[in-house]
Amino acid sequence: SYVLTQSPSVSVAPGKTARITCGGDNIASKSVHWYQHKPGQAPVLVIYYDADRPSGIPERFSASNSGNTATLTISRVEGGDEADYYCQVWDGSGDHPGYVFGTGTRVTVL
Amino acid sequence: EVQLLESGGGLVQPGGSLRLSCEASGFTFTSYAMSWVRQAPGKGLEWVSFSGTGGRTYYAESVEGRFTISRDTSKNTMFLQMNSLRAEDTAMYYCAKDRRHCSSSSCSGDHFDYWGQGTLVTVSS
Repeated sequence: SYVLTQSPSVSVAPGKTARITCGGDNIASKSVHWYQHKPGQAPVLVIYYDADRPSGIPERFSASNSGNTATLTISRVEGGDEADYYCQVWDGSGDHPGYVFGTGTRVTVL
Repeated sequence: EVQLLESGGGLVQPGGSLRLSCEASGFTFTSYAMSWVRQAPGKGLEWVSFSGTGGRTYYAESVEGRFTISRDTSKNTMFLQMNSLRAEDTAMYYCAKDRRHCSSSSCSGDHFDYWGQGTLVTVSS
């Protein structure tokens, strides 16, 4: 089955830039989506189809997908951005098609 | 406004059963795939099961043969019947709507645009 690997944590000062990576075999051949998940709340879609932002998501959130790595970038980080972030793809291959989530990255705002 | 409301969670003994429900509103229920996603304590998100618009269903290997997903389109409600529960099934279970509109019976999954608040399942003796 397809595996997505994220670094466990990222720490960033307010106003700086946070970069979260998601590694997967030839991930560039798949559409990557990103979710923000705060404790006690439902996850929120922040990026879909590699780089598109849903309405209501600030332009500070951007993303790219190339080779074996997809990247979520949060510019001008704010305290409200502190959360867990997950990448996700759909894996239609093999005997068990399904959604695959990355291992998750905790973003801490210093 | 899209709303997803889960219910049915609780405390159950190992080997027991539980049925979760997800009542949907604010969109055409029959035109979108739906899924269950869970998060065990201290762990990440894990997709559990998929219900497509044409009746197609998929399961994670960890639950196949024990869990059954279904829909009642007359009630705009999705269910997850969970049997032979194990301690490792303890988690918050979320209902999630796929963002892509599906006009056929063969759409695959894509990504989620709406999630419920979750219902907690605890498997313990």
